[in-house]
Amino acid sequence: AQSVTQPDIHITVSEGASLELRCNYSYGATPYLFWYVQSPGQGLQLLLKYFSGDTLVQGIKGFEAEFKRSQSSFNLRKPSVHWSDAAEYFCAVAEGAGNKLVFGAGTILRVKS
Amino acid sequence: DTAVSQTPKYLVTQMGNDKSIKCEQNLGHDTMYWYKQDSKKFLKIMFSYNNKELIINETVPNRFSPKSPDKAHLNLHINSLELGDSAVYFCASSHSAEQFFGPGTRLTVL
Repeated sequence: AQSVTQPDIHITVSEGASLELRCNYSYGATPYLFWYVQSPGQGLQLLLKYFSGDTLVQGIKGFEAEFKRSQSSFNLRKPSVHWSDAAEYFCAVAEGAGNKLVFGAGTILRVKS
Repeated sequence: DTAVSQTPKYLVTQMGNDKSIKCEQNLGHDTMYWYKQDSKKFLKIMFSYNNKELIINETVPNRFSPKSPDKAHLNLHINSLELGDSAVYFCASSHSAEQFFGPGTRLTVL
């Protein structure tokens, strides 16, 4: 079975600082990779996805992620964090014929002013 | 226009009761899913239907029974509710690997 690891449970950054959230996956073939964001009490919103092609993908809200096959990683980045980015972030990989999503445990982002 | 909707948003009930959660999508997708998010925010697939046929059935107690009357709807019925069923249940739909999630239903079993 595939797995997704998000090593950081919590991350705190200052508003305006850069951000990198780590994600590692285990998967035999080229994976379909996703980052979702969940604000408190809300559902999951897709930030960006990687299926194939350019390994640097752009998403919504100024986020980007880079797929590195050699490191089995798909880290999420943002050059300048805003207070409204405080939320929980989930990395996921699509697995199997039904494309079920296997999620990491999530990283809670806190933004300090 | 809500793409994936769930009702109810909150559900509080007693142990032993039977309850249903409804999900509807207006995206024209063929595949729908149910996920469970536990108290530690961990998300796990429960079921998936493609064109009304069950294609994913993870290790879930048979007290949980999904039903898809048509490809725009996927309902979740839970019998004999237990304390451990308390969670947020998310419905999702997709036409490829990209999934669109509903707002979630917070189920609390007392």
